[in-house]
Amino acid sequence: GAVVSQHPSWVICKSGTSVKIECRSLDFQATTMFWYRQFPKQSLMLMATSNEGSKATYEQGVEKDKFLINHASLTLSTLTVTSAHPEDSSFYICSASLTGDTNYGYTFGSGTRLTVV
Amino acid sequence: AQSVTQLDSHVSVSEGTPVLLRCNYSSSYSPSLFWYVQHPNKGLQLLLKYTSAATLVKGINGFEAEFKKSETSFHLTKPSAHMSDAAEYFCVVSDRMDTGRRALTFGSGTRLQVQP
Repeated sequence: GAVVSQHPSWVICKSGTSVKIECRSLDFQATTMFWYRQFPKQSLMLMATSNEGSKATYEQGVEKDKFLINHASLTLSTLTVTSAHPEDSSFYICSASLTGDTNYGYTFGSGTRLTVV
Repeated sequence: AQSVTQLDSHVSVSEGTPVLLRCNYSSSYSPSLFWYVQHPNKGLQLLLKYTSAATLVKGINGFEAEFKKSETSFHLTKPSAHMSDAAEYFCVVSDRMDTGRRALTFGSGTRLQVQP
């Protein structure tokens, strides 16, 4: 079945530094990947849609200069949290659709717990 | 605009008893509906999906859900709860927006607790 690998699973960084999170589709090609953020005991909020070979589409209220997304290949999308601050601490999850048609459902990565100290 | 309402933020059942997690949705077009499960500090795992075929959908681990258009509901059920079912469950709707782009909307989640 479709597998999405997300790395790292957790990271602790100092305020002001940048952190890169990788999302890979292991056995399929994903022209589109999605990045979500989840606060404790809350649902997932879509941050941005990552499109291979073009600019990401950000949701309203998400700072594109802070959350840099790169989708350079059909199997890899990266999210870089730049100049991280404690309020950026959260659980970040990526996902991809197997066929590009979301009727087939999404496969999610295992998530990355980011803690900024 | 589409929306998803999970009617219970927390459900507690005894092991071996039935599970019912309720979900209502609103959508302007013909939606696809999904149930996902999330264990602590893990990603989301697809339990089942409805995509305009049979209205009674069977998923993994004994779960099933029935799409009822007249009631705009997609409740998740399981005849007999297992301790390993304890997790957070999300009802999700996928629909085509006015822009033509498809979008996912997540419910707020239901935490299922299973008592021994």
